[in-house]
Amino acid sequence: DTEVTQTPKHLVMGMTNKKSLKCEQHMGHRAMYWYKQKAKKPPELMFVYSYEKLSINESVPSRFSPECPNSSLLNLHLHALQPEDSALYLCASSQGVLRGYEQYFGPGTRLTVT
Amino acid sequence: SQQGEEDPQALSIQEGENATMNCSYKTSINNLQWYRQNSGRGLVHLILIRSNEREKHSGRLRVTLDTSKKSSSLLITASRAADTASYFCATDAGAKGAQKLVFGQGTRLTINP
Repeated sequence: DTEVTQTPKHLVMGMTNKKSLKCEQHMGHRAMYWYKQKAKKPPELMFVYSYEKLSINESVPSRFSPECPNSSLLNLHLHALQPEDSALYLCASSQGVLRGYEQYFGPGTRLTVT
Repeated sequence: SQQGEEDPQALSIQEGENATMNCSYKTSINNLQWYRQNSGRGLVHLILIRSNEREKHSGRLRVTLDTSKKSSSLLITASRAADTASYFCATDAGAKGAQKLVFGQGTRLTINP
């Protein structure tokens, strides 16, 4: 199984809502990532988890809260988002945590904040 | 800041022709990767080239790397309609203990039947 799954595919939420994005992989990968991608722009790294511990936080606002419950799961909890947070949120995983490993991406969650 | 810049931003060619995309970066790298993204979908890894390699092939893909010029190119030969997508180069910004990819702006490739 070389697939990274993400749920939901689409999410519309108000600025006062609390929601969560879910990502799952069963490839035994030890690194997992969250990216944010705006239309016609490249993905921008948000968080990196290495062996279930937060390794990199790219100065992401606290209204985004990542969680890695186990080696296969990665969540992104959302609270009090702004309309400018509307984007495609991509999850990825890689076999290794150091350089030189390809990343496997999920299909993304299209988030709209109203 | 973005490590990679790609050229051209958009490319439209006829099916069967070859497509070449270029990527330039600013700092030293350990490796450079190319990814493809179909509209609104996740990215798919195409090829990784290490800093001590000059050229790499995978099927209809050919990647070159010139570390002296800090540039890479992706050549797709005998293009097909299914190759229509955005193509991104990505360099590893080299964080301690974890991989940190920084993507270029991307090239939007359109293959016309």
